[in-house]
Amino acid sequence: GENVEQHPSTLSVQEGDSAVIKCTYSDSASNYFPWYKQELGKRPQLIIDIRSNVGEKKDQRIAVTLNKTAKHFSLHITETQPEDSAVYFCAATGTGFQKLVFGTGTRLLVSP
Amino acid sequence: DGGITQSPKYLFRKEGQNVTLSCEQNLNHDAMYWYRQDPGQGLRLIYYSQIVNDFQKGDIAEGYSVSREKKESFPLTVTSAQKNPTAFYLCASTWDGESGNTIYFGEGSWLTVV
Repeated sequence: GENVEQHPSTLSVQEGDSAVIKCTYSDSASNYFPWYKQELGKRPQLIIDIRSNVGEKKDQRIAVTLNKTAKHFSLHITETQPEDSAVYFCAATGTGFQKLVFGTGTRLLVSP
Repeated sequence: DGGITQSPKYLFRKEGQNVTLSCEQNLNHDAMYWYRQDPGQGLRLIYYSQIVNDFQKGDIAEGYSVSREKKESFPLTVTSAQKNPTAFYLCASTWDGESGNTIYFGEGSWLTVV
């Protein structure tokens, strides 16, 4: 089955810096890759997603890139703000019925 | 997200007891899921259901049971066979479970063994 690895586990940046979180997946049939943001004690919220027919997607300060050959995808946050501090999870799922497999999460801390 | 309601938000279980977590959605979604999250960890799939009266085991189904008698409801029972049930439980749903449809999560239920 699918296996998703996520790095780094923690990431500390200064406000205004960029942050990059990387995930690798094992199943070459996976075709949908969402990213979720989870604040302490709350539910995960979808922030951006990408499908395998697209190499990059942007939404304001957030972007996701996908390299199908290398089987990895990354989340890029520019001009980070303290409110970006949270745990970020990547996930992957293949064709057919959707069963998301999640990475282990990255705790992002943005210092003022 | 606001269309998925989980209850209770906090639940305490004594050793040997079964407890049931409720999940109701009014989004008219066909597919529903239960995930478990341990502190500092990712989400792991317990059970999922693609349609009414049908459900499948996920990666960590042992010690859990579910039912799907109604489209809008997918309760999870944590049985006494689950030896380490303390965790944050998240119910989720999506339109039809086909790849690429956004999965929405409920607010979660905290279960603690006392």
